[in-house]
Amino acid sequence: KNQVEQSPQSLIILEGKNCTLQCNYTVSPFSNLRWYKQDTGRGPVSLTIMTFSENTKSNGRYTATLDADTKQSSLHITASQLSDSASYICVVSAWAGGGNKLTFGTGTQLKVEL
Amino acid sequence: DTEVTQTPKHLVMGMTNKKSLKCEQHMGHRAMYWYKQKAKKPPELMFVYSYEKLSINESVPSRFSPECPNSSLLNLHLHALQPEDSALYLCASSQPSLRQGALSGEAFFGQGTRLTVV
Repeated sequence: KNQVEQSPQSLIILEGKNCTLQCNYTVSPFSNLRWYKQDTGRGPVSLTIMTFSENTKSNGRYTATLDADTKQSSLHITASQLSDSASYICVVSAWAGGGNKLTFGTGTQLKVEL
Repeated sequence: DTEVTQTPKHLVMGMTNKKSLKCEQHMGHRAMYWYKQKAKKPPELMFVYSYEKLSINESVPSRFSPECPNSSLLNLHLHALQPEDSALYLCASSQPSLRQGALSGEAFFGQGTRLTVV
């Protein structure tokens, strides 16, 4: 069964600090891995997307890494801002012969405080 | 335009009502999706349309009826819902991937419809 596990479940950090969120997956056949940011009651917004041949990708203050051998990914946020408070969801895509089927992690709830 | 637009944003309906959720995108995507999300849980896939044809139905109860009138529109018709169906309903779109590892499958999500069944 395809699974995506994220840690920690929740995290509180001070504004300006860095943090790293983790994602472990058992999804086959692997197609790509995405990180989304979701504000409460809103739709997820894509931050990064990586295939198995990519091991790092940046989007502003967000940097994602992927180790396809160990099936692990991380999302590093630098110089956090209050607006970074949200749920961060790791989503792994499995090739389903004609399309990608997404498996969502349970998310890490990040709160950035003054 | 990288937007997926969902209407209405909020909906309150009785268990005997019939209502519809609407989703629209103009990115030329030929795959569209409905997800259901309960509070503090990840989205759960309900339906996938590929080239306007239903390709995945994740054993969703028949009180939810999807419809894809054309390549830009996706509807979800609701009838005789239960209070436990109250959730955030998300629509997404992407290009159907043609091969494993293709980036063309990037999914864009709408803002969701917050549904409350009373």
